[in-house]
Parts: sequence; C-alpha cells; structure tokens
Amino acid sequence: AQTVTQSQPEMSVQEAETVTLSCTYDTSENNYYLFWYKQPPSRQMILVIRQEAYKQQNATENRFSVNFQKAAKSFSLKISDSQLGDTAMYFCAFIGAGSYQLTFGKGTKLSVIP
Amino acid sequence: GAGVSQSPSNKVTEKGKDVELRCDPISGHTALYWYRQSLGQGLEFLIYFQGNSAPDKSGLPSDRFSAERTGGSVSTLTIQRTQQEDSAVYLCASSSAVEQFFGPGTRLTVL
Repeated sequence: AQTVTQSQPEMSVQEAETVTLSCTYDTSENNYYLFWYKQPPSRQMILVIRQEAYKQQNATENRFSVNFQKAAKSFSLKISDSQLGDTAMYFCAFIGAGSYQLTFGKGTKLSVIP
Repeated sequence: GAGVSQSPSNKVTEKGKDVELRCDPISGHTALYWYRQSLGQGLEFLIYFQGNSAPDKSGLPSDRFSAERTGGSVSTLTIQRTQQEDSAVYLCASSSAVEQFFGPGTRLTVL
C-alpha cells in the first residue's frame, strides 16, 4: 500500500516571498503520478501541478514548481512570489499508473501574511 | 456547468436519520469517486465507479454507507442511521484520464 506523508501541518510565508512544502511517499511501483492540490476555504480542491514519475524534468506551472527526487521518494512544492490568494490547505497525492485510487497526505495549511 | 457539482452544500441532520448526497460529474467523464474528509485529515477514498463496471466499494466504512450511479452520470451517496462520527466533508470527483476534478463538497453535520 502507498503512503503519503506531509510533515508540516502548518506554515506561513510573507507575501512575495518563496515557500517550500514537503512531501514524501512510499511505494513499490515504478510508474506513477504525483500531484499537489490546493484547497482554499471554499473547499474546492484545485489541481496545482502534476508530475509523471518517468519524467526527470521537474514540472513547473507559473509560480509553482516541484522538486521531484524519485530515488528519495520526495516531491516538494515551491511557491514563488507568494500571494494572499495562495492561502489554503495543500495536499500532496499519489496514484499508481493504471490505478484509480488517489492516496493523499494529511495536508499543510499555508498562510500568506501581508 | 463545466465543473463537478454537489448538493446540498451543507447538511445538518440528527443522529439516526438517513441522508442523501448528490454528485453531478463533468459531462463525458466515465469515472466518478467519492471521498470523505474529516476535520484535520486528508481525503479518505470511499467508492469508485467506472462506466458500467461494478463499483469498487472497498473504502466504504460500514454497511450504513451505499452509493449509486444512474445512467453513468449522476451519483448519490446514502448514509443510513447517521452517527456523529459521520460528520465530515464529502467530496466527489470525476475523471476521464489520470487527473481527478473535484466538486465543492457537502459538509455533513450530525447532531
């Protein structure tokens, strides 16, 4: 069974600064996908970024980028130029290729301070 | 609408009552999922529907929980004889590939 661990229950960052959220996972699979989801107070889970395990290049979406270390089973999210709208819960999630069941971490509550 | 919708947005019920939660997936998405999010926790998988195949019910916590998906589209999650520990946000998601798209959830409060 896969597990996803987010070791930072809460974090804060000053507006315009950079913050990194940590995620580690455990799996015996070689092909899989990793995701970061954002959940603001509205409860809507929004996909922030995804990474395919077979790709060595780290995914980037505007101000969001990941540091994917497959051997270390680490998948951290970096948010640059933090904005007030980035305040939310962030969940790391794993899914095996050919599977359908997402496994989520417990989340990191990020607060962006003006 | 373009996204996954869920109703009601909030539901308050008394212990022992039955509740029904509804999910309208994105049109054309063959896969539909239900998750439960308890306070301070991540998302817990409940059930998965794919096309006309038998659903994967392995995540349902007890036989008080059931779900249906009619016509390969709308799904209803039913909780019978609700208990206080059923209080949570129930999220629905749909997909046509790897990425799952979530609805806004139903917050269930059992008094």
